[in-house]
Amino acid sequence: GAGVSQSPSNKVTEKGKDVELRCDPISGHTALYWYRQSLGQGLEFLIYFQGNSAPDKSGLPSDRFSAERTGGSVSTLTIQRTQQEDSAVYLCASSMESQGTDGYTFGSGTRLTVV
Amino acid sequence: AQSVTQLGSHVSVSEGALVLLRCNYSSSVPPYLFWYVQYPNQGLQLLLKYTSAATLVKGINGFEAEFKKSETSFHLTKPSAHMSDAAEYFCAVSETSGTYKYIFGTGTRLKVLA
Repeated sequence: GAGVSQSPSNKVTEKGKDVELRCDPISGHTALYWYRQSLGQGLEFLIYFQGNSAPDKSGLPSDRFSAERTGGSVSTLTIQRTQQEDSAVYLCASSMESQGTDGYTFGSGTRLTVV
Repeated sequence: AQSVTQLGSHVSVSEGALVLLRCNYSSSVPPYLFWYVQYPNQGLQLLLKYTSAATLVKGINGFEAEFKKSETSFHLTKPSAHMSDAAEYFCAVSETSGTYKYIFGTGTRLKVLA
């Protein structure tokens, strides 16, 4: 597609429920990234995909968080048993290559609210 | 580990005035540096990047930034602010030269006064 597409744009969920956030990167972009943006804070790295593999999962906050990528394209970030501290904007980005020189292209994010 | 410091979480300027948003980084190797802009309810858009070529980098919307190794700074400037520049600005550095992970600053919200 023309840009990075994320869905849903907004999600309100009850504490303890599971949620899935979807990211559709730019066609041909091999690298995909998930970041979390909490109110008043910068962006927190969560996970990086190169193709379908995730060489760096170091930013995932707990084992309630997982992500996968299939077909070298769409990625899903899953949060199990959501907690109020999971409320944030989850941003997905993609890039043509993984050497960091081109900068990322970001989606518009999913605003997650846990009530 | 790399880190990025953005001085001033909020900056206000008058329309037509100089915009200066500060960014300092810590790095033991030449970094890649980026400025992003985020408009309300949108993702981040790349403004400009430094990847060890010219130290003065020009970006979109009339913004530019100068890489100063001696000061470990990469401040963002624009000679004349426009109302449409009101947004949040993020400085980012690649964790190490040539790798994928960016470390972002906490952002500076720019307000432009009429």
